[in-house]
Amino acid sequence: DQQVKQNSPSLSVQEGRISILNCDYTNSMFDYFLWYKKYPAEGPTFLISISSIKDKNEDGRFTVFLNKSAKHLSLHIVPSQPGDSAVYFCAANGQNFVFGPGTRLSVLP
Amino acid sequence: NAGVTQTPKFRILKIGQSMTLQCTQDMNHNYMYWYRQDPGMGLKLIYYSVGAGITDKGEVPNGYNVSRSTTEDFPLRLELAAPSQTSVYFCASSPSGLSEQYFGPGTRLTVT
Repeated sequence: DQQVKQNSPSLSVQEGRISILNCDYTNSMFDYFLWYKKYPAEGPTFLISISSIKDKNEDGRFTVFLNKSAKHLSLHIVPSQPGDSAVYFCAANGQNFVFGPGTRLSVLP
Repeated sequence: NAGVTQTPKFRILKIGQSMTLQCTQDMNHNYMYWYRQDPGMGLKLIYYSVGAGITDKGEVPNGYNVSRSTTEDFPLRLELAAPSQTSVYFCASSPSGLSEQYFGPGTRLTVT
């Protein structure tokens, strides 16, 4: 039973437009969420996080939104760049961090 | 500052063989983790450690063992390799259990 879901396995976006990656979770006890980015043949790298006491966190082109009542978070990338093409993982903290299956983002020039 | 390093990068094992995946971090982090990633799946936690001499099971520990004799090193031992252990293995470290994790580049293991 997946506690963290990323229902879109892939997403294609034109360069310069907005990318929106979605993540849903089932455990209402989760209170800290992270996004990681992964290039092929490399380990994941931390991108941005959000605590449940906030509903938005921004870092440059990356913004994460959290809707606790819907148990949903999203990562917005504006403007998208070809270098953003990667797999994005959402993670939530239980006793340990639980990772979603990832969404592959392709930013087309 | 090398971060988290893993060796080997690739390995092919025959069924029933054993091997140790090495992981070293130079950031003086107390927490270290081993994950496996299967195709189309998220990372599954195998074992973790909150400090030297302390290890605990994660979600999928069967078929694996770990030790943590130093802060820097956290090797993962596979005994009696099985095809189900074919996966990409990532080691990670973090300064605390609630902070972001720093990952190594991964080890791609095939068991045939």
